[in-house]
Amino acid sequence: EAQLEESGGGLVQRGGSLRLSCAASGFTFSSYGMVWVRQAPGKGLDWIASIRGSSSSSIFYADSVKGRFTISRDNARNSLILQMNSLTAEDTAVYFCARLNCGTTNCNYLDPWGQGTLVTVSS
Amino acid sequence: EIVLTQSPDTLSLSPGKRATLSCRASQTISSSLAWYQQKHGQPPRLLIYETSNRASGIPARFSGRGSGTEFTLTISGLDPEDFAVYYCQHRSDWPRAITFGQGTRLEI
Repeated sequence: EAQLEESGGGLVQRGGSLRLSCAASGFTFSSYGMVWVRQAPGKGLDWIASIRGSSSSSIFYADSVKGRFTISRDNARNSLILQMNSLTAEDTAVYFCARLNCGTTNCNYLDPWGQGTLVTVSS
Repeated sequence: EIVLTQSPDTLSLSPGKRATLSCRASQTISSSLAWYQQKHGQPPRLLIYETSNRASGIPARFSGRGSGTEFTLTISGLDPEDFAVYYCQHRSDWPRAITFGQGTRLEI
């Protein structure tokens, strides 16, 4: 069974940095694109970054985090990383990692998801 | 940038009834629309992918349909465990962004 588990969340001051990890198991990690999605308290889901399976050169970011967050992966360790810099109160959220699955036309849906890790940015 | 708008924001129904949730795209999209269910304190769970395909383990009372800009998720015969928040999601070909609707809360 494919599983994902995030870690690294916590309380950080405004302007600080945090590094999130997502440990994958139960599937061939390098064969799948991966994404980070966040959810602010009481709000909806926001995609923030994607990375292709075999090529770390294929990376995409939401405008809200471009230039501040960096997504990367270590296929040897089955691990997905999100380096977050210059954090603001608006970055306070639960951060989920999810696997990107391919359908008949393209890779377009997310399953499974991790349980999430809470990041709180204090002002 | 594609915007997904879900309606209604909140849907109040009783167990056993039929729920119809809508997701409208700001421009014509391919069939790559997915639906997720999220309960409080839990991660989203994939229900439907590519408009109408049920994910593994999802009961047959969940069905999806649509094309172009209009998509629906139907839950036939609501079970008490179905009361949750539902999101639609699309991934565009270019830019490679993933977009979620704002969610529909299904409540008793």
